[in-house]
Amino acid sequence: ETGVTQTPRHLVMGMTNKKSLKCEQHLGHNAMYWYKQSAKKPLELMFVYSLEERVENNSVPSRFSPECPNSSHLFLHLHTLQPEDSALYLCASSPADRREETQYFGPGTRLLVL
Amino acid sequence: SQQGEEDPQALSIQEGENATMNCSYKTSINNLQWYRQNSGRGLVHLILIRSNEREKHSGRLRVTLDTSKKSSSLLITASRAADTASYFCATKGAGGFKTIFGAGTRLFVKA
Repeated sequence: ETGVTQTPRHLVMGMTNKKSLKCEQHLGHNAMYWYKQSAKKPLELMFVYSLEERVENNSVPSRFSPECPNSSHLFLHLHTLQPEDSALYLCASSPADRREETQYFGPGTRLLVL
Repeated sequence: SQQGEEDPQALSIQEGENATMNCSYKTSINNLQWYRQNSGRGLVHLILIRSNEREKHSGRLRVTLDTSKKSSSLLITASRAADTASYFCATKGAGGFKTIFGAGTRLFVKA
């Protein structure tokens, strides 16, 4: 257990569905991240929030919409996804002190878009 | 440009042998980290080495960093079947929150 939880762990959705991924961290961290991990590709950083403000948006399509209501919770809202969006979505957190760069990852949500 | 490219892509060894994985990167860094990922799970941080450090140890792990060659290596000594996982290097420049991960080395340790 890393102190970062993600729900659901598995999700199957159609291209017209709307769903949300949830991440919660119990570490008192101030920065939270969404990553996409596709087969045989490096981890792709999607979004970073620091103190509930979005500080990185890595050219992610608008069908992915992040939300950070407080420093402990992070959501990724999904709508009209494409089959190529099927991947493992990982959430991470860090203390947001830039001298401490270790990130703590959740177990991920395995997403399949049909 | 992509940072943190690992070599080899896959490695299969016998239990008890040492495993060495290499990582190369392209631009200047503030630090380099190694993470481990069991199949379909989240990443777990193993060790961080700063740009002014050359070598670091943690248990059976030994990491080296050569900033002149822009490369790092991770050595796992006396490997165990439980070490079977994917290993990623990740680099971070000065400032910002962006940590860039490589594609990883898949290690398989046979019992």
